[in-house]
Amino acid sequence: QLQLQESGPGLVKPSETLSLTCTVSGGSISSSSYYWGWIRQPPGKGLEWIGNIYNSGSTYYNPSLKSRVIISVDTSKNQFSLNLSAVTAADTAVYYCARHPTLMHSDLWGRGTLVTVSS
Amino acid sequence: QSALTQPPSASGSPGQSVTISCTGTSSDIGGYIYVSWYQQHPGKAPKLMIYEVSQRPSGVPDRFSGSKSGNTASLTVSGLQAEDEADYYCSSYAGRNNLVFGGGTKLTVL
Repeated sequence: QLQLQESGPGLVKPSETLSLTCTVSGGSISSSSYYWGWIRQPPGKGLEWIGNIYNSGSTYYNPSLKSRVIISVDTSKNQFSLNLSAVTAADTAVYYCARHPTLMHSDLWGRGTLVTVSS
Repeated sequence: QSALTQPPSASGSPGQSVTISCTGTSSDIGGYIYVSWYQQHPGKAPKLMIYEVSQRPSGVPDRFSGSKSGNTASLTVSGLQAEDEADYYCSSYAGRNNLVFGGGTKLTVL
């Protein structure tokens, strides 16, 4: 059974880069035609799509975050990653990684990891 | 401010039906069939309940149904059960490879 697990620092300083990794277990990240993506949820608030990457390496980003986001995939490690630069307190959120059968919906989510931006 | 508008709360008694709305524009909900709904219990990851307006993933009870009219999508939960109490989020494709969410609706089973 495929599972996703986020990992990375729980505390990031303002202006620095937030880096998270999603490890996919129970199946190969490159053996199927899925998108892999990141979605975040500030404490007590709603969901916000960050971006997706396809197996081919094509990336798709939320226009409001595009200038600060890079999503990459490492098929040898069965992982994909999120880098969000120049973070502020507004980037404090639970970050989820997810599998997308299409760009438009996610059918499998990780448990999420809380990242706090604070000095 | 979320791109899609949902009522902050909804409620119903066990066995009743409740409908949650999600209003967008002709650039998102009104322009595509790609509306999804997610259920989120406290402290848990969201779970896909409906995709492409009215499609149910395997394992989702048929008590959950989705529809769309114009720029508004709806999620209906029939035969309410205690475990349906959760937050529900809609999402829609918004063109140019962009995905937007609603602000969420807290469903209370009375």
